[in-house]
Amino acid sequence: SQQGEEDPQALSIQEGENATMNCSYKTSINNLQWYRQNSGRGLVHLILIRSNEREKHSGRLRVTLDTSKKSSSLLITASRAADTASYFCASAAGANSKLTFGKGITLSVRP
Amino acid sequence: DADVTQTPRNRITKTGKRIMLECSQTKGHDRMYWYRQDPGLGLQLIYYSFDVKDINKGEISDGYSVSRQAQAKFSLSLESAIPNQTALYFCATSDPGKQTQYFGPGTRLLVL
Repeated sequence: SQQGEEDPQALSIQEGENATMNCSYKTSINNLQWYRQNSGRGLVHLILIRSNEREKHSGRLRVTLDTSKKSSSLLITASRAADTASYFCASAAGANSKLTFGKGITLSVRP
Repeated sequence: DADVTQTPRNRITKTGKRIMLECSQTKGHDRMYWYRQDPGLGLQLIYYSFDVKDINKGEISDGYSVSRQAQAKFSLSLESAIPNQTALYFCATSDPGKQTQYFGPGTRLLVL
């Protein structure tokens, strides 16, 4: 069974707009990660936020973590057509920090 | 990512056949993983290995087996393929200190 659930399942925005994607998880975690997947290709790691962190930035990406609500959000600012992809959250839990992936969000950025 | 390679990239096989998917990495990571992805779903962990002598089952190991031939190589076998094993299969590696995973390009498998 999958621990992460992303919301929305699909998002379509205009180039230049911001994209916000949400993720919920069920158990205590060590960290939460976001990955990106271009159609039919391997996942690429975007950003990791540890359980004792609340916000982290990397370029146009901003991720927040609320452990009390067991949720995280990924914000992509000033989106570009090249940001079109599927985005997955993955929660790392347990002594070995194995990842449990959500079902993913399909982001479409219209030029 | 060329650091993690998978062969073959595409494979069509018939029900009942045994097939092997191979993964090689040049990242020097001890940890390796096999996942499957079905349309509209996230990744499900099949098997993982934290070093050459360590093999662990994931969420959906039934019908699959693995072999860790060396630090750099981790193979996934389908002993007797069935149509519901049609999926996209990914290999990944990680460094225990960093906890992020690096994925191969995937193998698209079709079982007829």
